[in-house]
Amino acid sequence: NAGVTQTPKFRVLKTGQSMTLLCAQDMNHEYMYWYRQDPGMGLRLIHYSVGEGTTAKGEVPDGYNVSRLKKQNFLLGLESAAPSQTSVYFCASSRPVEPRRFGPGTRLLVL
Amino acid sequence: AQTVTQSQPEMSVQEAETVTLSCTYDTSESDYYLFWYKQPPSRQMILVIRQEAYKQQNATENRFSVNFQKAAKSFSLKISDSQLGDAAMYFCALRGGSEKLVFGKGTKLTVNP
Repeated sequence: NAGVTQTPKFRVLKTGQSMTLLCAQDMNHEYMYWYRQDPGMGLRLIHYSVGEGTTAKGEVPDGYNVSRLKKQNFLLGLESAAPSQTSVYFCASSRPVEPRRFGPGTRLLVL
Repeated sequence: AQTVTQSQPEMSVQEAETVTLSCTYDTSESDYYLFWYKQPPSRQMILVIRQEAYKQQNATENRFSVNFQKAAKSFSLKISDSQLGDAAMYFCALRGGSEKLVFGKGTKLTVNP
C-alpha cells in the first residue's frame, strides 16, 4: 500500500494564480482532511470530508475549495493564490474514530 | 472550543536518558481522544501514541508512555532511553466528538550524543 500520497511535492506560484493539490489514499478510508502547517504552529484544519461527495469547513477554510468526487481522492484548490497561503499542506485520511494517516506534505510558495 | 497548549517550545535530552514533554488541553466534551505525533525533518507526521479519555490506564508504546491526568487536563509524553532518531518536533493533539483534530504548537526535541 502506498498509504496517503500528495501531488505535487513542491510548487511556486505567483500571486493570483490558481492551482489544485491532489491527495490520494489506497486504504479505503471514509474520512479525508486537508491541513496547513505554518512556522511555529501546529497543523490547522482547512477542510475535511466524511464521505464521497461531502465536504465541510475546518478552522481556516477561507481562500480554499475542495472536492471529493471519488472516495480515494481529495482535491484542494486555490482559486487566486495569496502570499499568506505560503505554507506546507498536509493531507490525511482515516476510518471513523481511528487515528489519521498523513501524507508527506506539499510545500507551496506564493510570490 | 477545544484548545491544546504545549508550553515547552524546545527541549533537549542526552542519549539514553529520559525526557518528558508537557501538554495541557481544554475541552467541554466527556468523550475524546488524545494523541502525540512526531514530525522528523522529513516532515512526515507519525503517530506515536494515543489515549482514549475513558480509559484510566496510561497508554504505552515501547519506549513511549503517557501520563494522562484527566482532572488536570494534562497529557504528558515520556520518552525513555532516548535515541538520536527521537529528535523531532512533537505535537500533542486532541479530538472530540467531531472530526476536528486540534494540534498544539509543538515541542522541538533535540537528542545530544
